Amino acid sequence: GESVGLHLPTLSVQEGDNSIINCAYSNSASDYFIWYKQESGKGPQFIIDIRSNMDKRQGQRVTVLLNKTVKHLSLQIAATQPGDSAVYFCAENRMNSGYSTLTFGKGTMLLVSP
Amino acid sequence: DTAVSQTPKYLVTQMGNDKSIKCEQNLGHDTMYWYKQDSKKFLKIMFSYNNKELIINETVPNRFSPKSPDKAHLNLHINSLELGDSAVYFCASSRGGLSEAFFGQGTRLTVV
Repeated sequence: GESVGLHLPTLSVQEGDNSIINCAYSNSASDYFIWYKQESGKGPQFIIDIRSNMDKRQGQRVTVLLNKTVKHLSLQIAATQPGDSAVYFCAENRMNSGYSTLTFGKGTMLLVSP
Repeated sequence: DTAVSQTPKYLVTQMGNDKSIKCEQNLGHDTMYWYKQDSKKFLKIMFSYNNKELIINETVPNRFSPKSPDKAHLNLHINSLELGDSAVYFCASSRGGLSEAFFGQGTRLTVV
């Protein structure tokens, strides 16, 4: 079946390091991807998105890379801070009969030590 | 102002009871969703509504019935609650099309 993401791993980094969170997707028809951050006790919060006609997009301290050849998505966080500690989800958004569906990967927990 | 708000934030109830979770969005979005997040943090879509019409109904027991009185509200009613219904339920909304969804803060449902 179709799937997005990996089993929930944990990435532990030191404050100031750069973090890279990876995500694999299997549906080549997906045309829009989103990274979400979920802090404890809160709902997922949009970080950055990318359309399938792009391979890189940069935000503030974050960069998303899309490799359609191998169906891989990554989120890079520069100069990681303790406030970045959260669970990060990739999600793929597909149009189906004119309506979009948002399918989430399984998430990665990022732990940032001061 | 909270963009997507859902109530209650916590809900503890006994097996067999019926309960409702309410959701409202003030973003003017046409599309609203209910997601279920299990203990392993996996987020699975349950329902999607567009302009009060049901668009997506994933494999969800009939005990779950969403209701959209207007496009700013999507409530979730659950009948005959079971232990396995314990989870965090998230409401979300979007403009539709290729756009991000905005999530509420979640309702942690515990069935005892």
